[in-house]
Amino acid sequence: QVQLKESGPGLVQPSETLSLTCTVSGFSLTSYGVNWVRQPPGKGLEWMGTIWNDGSTDYNSALKSRLSISRDTSKSQVFLKMNSLQTEDTAIYLCARGGAAPHYYVMDAWGQGASVTVSS
Amino acid sequence: DVQMTQSPSYLAASPGESVSISCKASKSISNNLAWYQEKPGKANKLLIHSGSTLQSGTPSRFSGSGSGTDFTLTIRSLESEDFAVYYCQQYNEYPLTFGSGTKLEIK
Repeated sequence: QVQLKESGPGLVQPSETLSLTCTVSGFSLTSYGVNWVRQPPGKGLEWMGTIWNDGSTDYNSALKSRLSISRDTSKSQVFLKMNSLQTEDTAIYLCARGGAAPHYYVMDAWGQGASVTVSS
Repeated sequence: DVQMTQSPSYLAASPGESVSISCKASKSISNNLAWYQEKPGKANKLLIHSGSTLQSGTPSRFSGSGSGTDFTLTIRSLESEDFAVYYCQQYNEYPLTFGSGTKLEIK
């Protein structure tokens, strides 16, 4: 059974760095990519970036200067780090598995999300 | 960036009815479009990819159509479990972008 679960601090101070973990089960990170997507309150979904099965990454250019996605395949974990947080970064942060070939850019399994509030 | 415009943003219908949700891309995205369902307390669910291909496990009352810039999600004979928020997503080019969502509520 494919599962993804996000974890991290619920509250982050402005200008600080957000660190989130996506722990996956039921599939291997060396076979599938994992995406990070966020959803600000009352707004739509924003793709943040992807770490591919070979460890390479792609980022949304709007966030690229602040964002880093990495992984630990031995622990089946994907990490998101984003610096210089502002109040507009308050959102639900979700991880989602990329599809099997050739549908790599489709997100075929999702976590339930981690709520992050940026506030002093 | 490819802007995805969904309409309507809100839709009220009764069980048994059929509804359609539109998703328009700001430029051609071929058939590189997916539809997702969002329900409170549950993980988002992929319903359709490639514009019209049902993901395994998606009930046949769901269908997708369109290519280029105009796409439609149709749900026939609504069931209680279908009342949710629906999003489209283009994956023709980076950045991947989503529509703003359509909330389907029970009338």
